[in-house]
Amino acid sequence: RKEVEQDPGPFNVPEGATVAFNCTYSNSASQSFFWYRQDCRKEPKLLMSVYSSGNEDGRFTAQLNRASQYISLLIRDSKLSDSATYLCVVNRAGTASKLTFGTGTRLQVTL
Amino acid sequence: EPEVTQTPSHQVTQMGQEVILRCVPISNHLYFYWYRQILGQKVEFLVSFYNNEISEKSEIFDDQFSVERPDGSNFTLKIRSTKLEDSAMYFCASTPTSGAGEQYFGPGTRLTVT
Repeated sequence: RKEVEQDPGPFNVPEGATVAFNCTYSNSASQSFFWYRQDCRKEPKLLMSVYSSGNEDGRFTAQLNRASQYISLLIRDSKLSDSATYLCVVNRAGTASKLTFGTGTRLQVTL
Repeated sequence: EPEVTQTPSHQVTQMGQEVILRCVPISNHLYFYWYRQILGQKVEFLVSFYNNEISEKSEIFDDQFSVERPDGSNFTLKIRSTKLEDSAMYFCASTPTSGAGEQYFGPGTRLTVT
């Protein structure tokens, strides 16, 4: 079983739509969780950390369910500029530990 | 806003040659990392570095690879004898000592081995 699993997509949505991505992780000892965004041939950029209580940053909402080992990202009112690959990322052992990446979910927002 | 920088942006080399990829992490960060991403695949961890020594390395990081922090700002990845399968984007990252472990990535070096 992969450490971090995501649906690769692509998700093709019209501008203004709401879209949700899901991710599961296999190691129950994982401590920190993140969503990163990656544009084509660019570096991963931190979108947001994910907390058990859920957190929101503008149009983006992230949720973590530790019992189910499940992470989600909701994007409301999609913009053309949201088109990218969204990477689910897990940190297993604390601040200095390596990040484990999912393969990413590709989002294409269209007019 | 401080950023991780990497040079060169693109390196082409012949199989068997040595390459050195360079990174300047964010200045007050103390933990440094190298990752790679083969085209079309996921980002993979190579090595982490703290206090002038390797903290953790993956099975990819074999004897052909080494890392160094030669001075107070640079962090380098050396591949001693490149193979075709080393062709990938190599990302350097750093993380602050506090926080949840989020890492900040440089723009990457695209390594092409011919």
